[in-house]
Amino acid sequence: DGGITQSPKYLFRKEGQNVTLSCEQNLNHDAMYWYRQDPGQGLRLIYYSQIVNDFQKGDIAEGYSVSREKKESFPLTVTSAQKNPTAFYLCASIGTKRDYGYTFGSGTRLTVV
Amino acid sequence: AQSVAQPEDQVKVAEGNPLTVKCTYSVSGNPYLFWYVQYPNRGLQFLLKYITGDNLVKGSYGFEAEFNKSQTSFHLKKPSALVSDSALYFCAVRDIYSSASKIIFGSGTRLSIRP
Repeated sequence: DGGITQSPKYLFRKEGQNVTLSCEQNLNHDAMYWYRQDPGQGLRLIYYSQIVNDFQKGDIAEGYSVSREKKESFPLTVTSAQKNPTAFYLCASIGTKRDYGYTFGSGTRLTVV
Repeated sequence: AQSVAQPEDQVKVAEGNPLTVKCTYSVSGNPYLFWYVQYPNRGLQFLLKYITGDNLVKGSYGFEAEFNKSQTSFHLKKPSALVSDSALYFCAVRDIYSSASKIIFGSGTRLSIRP
């Protein structure tokens, strides 16, 4: 079955560490997105990429970085500059039939310890 | 500015009763509208969409939504609620004139169905 795989499901980060969240899709989708979810705040866009080797900042990009070296992969790095990284992170993608909306991964819950 | 509003943080309904989860939107141009559902510690699942055509849209799990252009609303409805419908529901909108295909989400409404 085609879909989006996010790993790990749970991630613990110490203060001052960088961590990388994985997002892989086998849907042959061009565009990929990273969202952050906090309770009561809905989803906020961190970064997005429409094609390989290109990406743009979303609404809350500070303290995060991404890469898009392959169409299938869009990893997110949470850097030590992100002061409040504890959240649920969701990866999504969309294909050429863009009226179908996003396909989401199952998410990664990041906790600072 | 484009936005989506879900005015209710929580909706509580008895099993078997009809339910409505409200959503209003503000976008430039014609909107693509979506409803998604999220179960605990999971990603969002697509329920239904409105692109064009009939204002009443039918989706997964018996849900439907009514697009009302004059009221800029897209309320989610179900004639008879099930306990298994308890989850977090998100309304979302995408402006078709956005080349980036970004989708803007509401803050979510927690639906609780009591037996």
